[in-house]
Amino acid sequence: GAVVSQHPSRVICKSGTSVKIECRSLDFQATTMFWYRQFPKQSLMLMATSNEGSKATYEQGVEKDKFLINHASLTLSTLTVTSAHPEDSSFYICSASPPGQIYGYTFGSGTRLTVV
Amino acid sequence: GQQVMQIPQYQHVQEGEDFTTYCNSSTTLSNIQWYKQRPGGHPVFLIQLVKSGEVKKQKRLTFQFGEAKKNSSLHITATQTTDVGTYFCAGQITNAGKSTFGDGTTLTVKP
Repeated sequence: GAVVSQHPSRVICKSGTSVKIECRSLDFQATTMFWYRQFPKQSLMLMATSNEGSKATYEQGVEKDKFLINHASLTLSTLTVTSAHPEDSSFYICSASPPGQIYGYTFGSGTRLTVV
Repeated sequence: GQQVMQIPQYQHVQEGEDFTTYCNSSTTLSNIQWYKQRPGGHPVFLIQLVKSGEVKKQKRLTFQFGEAKKNSSLHITATQTTDVGTYFCAGQITNAGKSTFGDGTTLTVKP
């Protein structure tokens, strides 16, 4: 089955620093990946759609300059949280699906970001 | 924008009792997906429903898609402690497009 790997699983950083999160499709090529954010005991909120070779599409209210997305290859998308602040602390999850397959999306294991 | 509402938010049951969570969309969907997220884990895909009025079963789980393709339900018969977690529905307006998640229903099962 489709496997999506996300790294790191946990990260603690100081306020003002930047953190990069990687999302890799291990056994398929993903032209599109999705980045979500989840607060404790809440639902998944779509942040942006990552498109290979082009700019990401951000959802309303998501700062594109703060959450930089790069999808430079068919198997890797990265999310960089720039100048992180404590309110950015959250669970970030990516998902992807093999092209032409509509059997649901496979999620990465998520990254728990804590900004201190 | 598209909204997906899910109820109830929490459900506490005794082991062996049944459980149902309901999902309603403000717009007609192309398909709806169901996911399960265990505490501390990530969402895991359960099933996708595409056809109007579709019913699918996975052992003790029964999934339904409404005739108007705007609502769906997940029913678990005779819950077990392994069923605990949060169940999310996610609707897509177009196939392979972005999904809008419901708020989830968190199920706890008392042995």
